[in-house]
Amino acid sequence: DGGITQSPKYLFRKEGQNVTLSCEQNLNHDAMYWYRQDPGQGLRLIYYSQIVNDFQKGDIAEGYSVSREKKESFPLTVTSAQKNPTAFYLCASSTYRGAISGANVLTFGAGSRLTVL
Amino acid sequence: GQSLEQPSEVTAVEGAIVQINCTYQTSGFYGLSWYQQHDGGAPTFLSYNALDGLEETGRFSSFLSRSDSYGYLLLQELQMKDSASYFCAVRAEGRNTGFQKLVFGTGTRLLVSP
Repeated sequence: DGGITQSPKYLFRKEGQNVTLSCEQNLNHDAMYWYRQDPGQGLRLIYYSQIVNDFQKGDIAEGYSVSREKKESFPLTVTSAQKNPTAFYLCASSTYRGAISGANVLTFGAGSRLTVL
Repeated sequence: GQSLEQPSEVTAVEGAIVQINCTYQTSGFYGLSWYQQHDGGAPTFLSYNALDGLEETGRFSSFLSRSDSYGYLLLQELQMKDSASYFCAVRAEGRNTGFQKLVFGTGTRLLVSP
């Protein structure tokens, strides 16, 4: 079955450490996204990528980095520069890159919960 | 920029009908979507409205009024499994012209009781 796989599901990090969250999709989707969700809040966009070797900052990119070397993969690194990294991180993908009409339907992974100790 | 407002929590009983409202402010409107998220789970797409009016998908319907910058999600014949958070989202222009990103509201937690 096609879908998005995020790993690890739970991750604990000490302050000052970088961590990388994995996101792999086998949906043949062009666009991929990383969102952050804090308790009782909506999803905020960190980074997005329309095509391989291209990505753009979202609304809260500071302290994060990404790469898009393969269509299927869009890993997110939470660096030590991110001041409050404890959150639920969601990766998503869509077939849809920029047409005006039609719904931009995102398929989400199950998420990675990062806790900084 | 974009902003969306939803009630933080709604409660209802099984079999009832509930309406979750969403008002939005955005420069350049391309459509309103709704997503469902169970606790600890991934959001899943429910519906999308680009034009005014009602879209029906089974027990769920979504309505849009572009002139009022307002939409709602209507859930009928509520079931316990409908207890979840519901997010409205608008498409907004990304930093790359022509690329639409989804901007989400803060979500409405729906509690369905027996």
